[in-house]
Amino acid sequence: GAGVSQTPSNKVTEKGKYVELRCDPISGHTALYWYRQSLGQGPEFLIYFQGTGAADDSGLPNDRFFAVRPEGSVSTLKIQRTERGDSAVYLCASSFGGGSSGANVLTFGAGSRLTVL
Amino acid sequence: DAKTTQPPSMDCAEGRAANLPCNHSTISGNEYVYWYRQIHSQGPQYIIHGLKNNETNEMASLIITEDRKSSTLILPHATLRDTAVYYCIVRVLISGGYNKLIFGAGTRLAVHP
Repeated sequence: GAGVSQTPSNKVTEKGKYVELRCDPISGHTALYWYRQSLGQGPEFLIYFQGTGAADDSGLPNDRFFAVRPEGSVSTLKIQRTERGDSAVYLCASSFGGGSSGANVLTFGAGSRLTVL
Repeated sequence: DAKTTQPPSMDCAEGRAANLPCNHSTISGNEYVYWYRQIHSQGPQYIIHGLKNNETNEMASLIITEDRKSSTLILPHATLRDTAVYYCIVRVLISGGYNKLIFGAGTRLAVHP
């Protein structure tokens, strides 16, 4: 597609439930990023992928959070045993990746808003 | 990672230039300055980036001081649609050159009629 697509756009769940959030990056983009944004704050880095592998998962808050990108395109962010503090907008971004020219801008999706009751 | 400092909020009259400042006094020689903005309920949108020279594109101009310790994003003729949170980010250059961006709180720009 023309942009980064994220589904669902809104997800309401109960505390303790399992949630999956999906990201379809721009075709041909090898780098994929997940961010989390709480109300009134800037996006917080979670993880990024180079192709199929997670090259940097230092932003994942704990082991309840996990992300995969099995074929180097679509990625799924998985959250186990959700807590009320997980409520946020989860943003996905993609870029061509690589290089050192600084020109690898990130294109963001509109985000998935997660509400944990 | 070089830290950036931005004013939390600014106002601008429609049709006037909006000048958004950013301090990044600890920037290193191979770090770029990026600007993104986020309109309500949307994901961040790339605006412009630069290393040491001033840059201009169809959206904005970026003025970087000679010592690179600060920069200014200029929207030459602000419109109501430019109301957004503007993020100044210094790029973390990591292995492979992938663009891990660390966002601060940004500047909330309100353009009024």
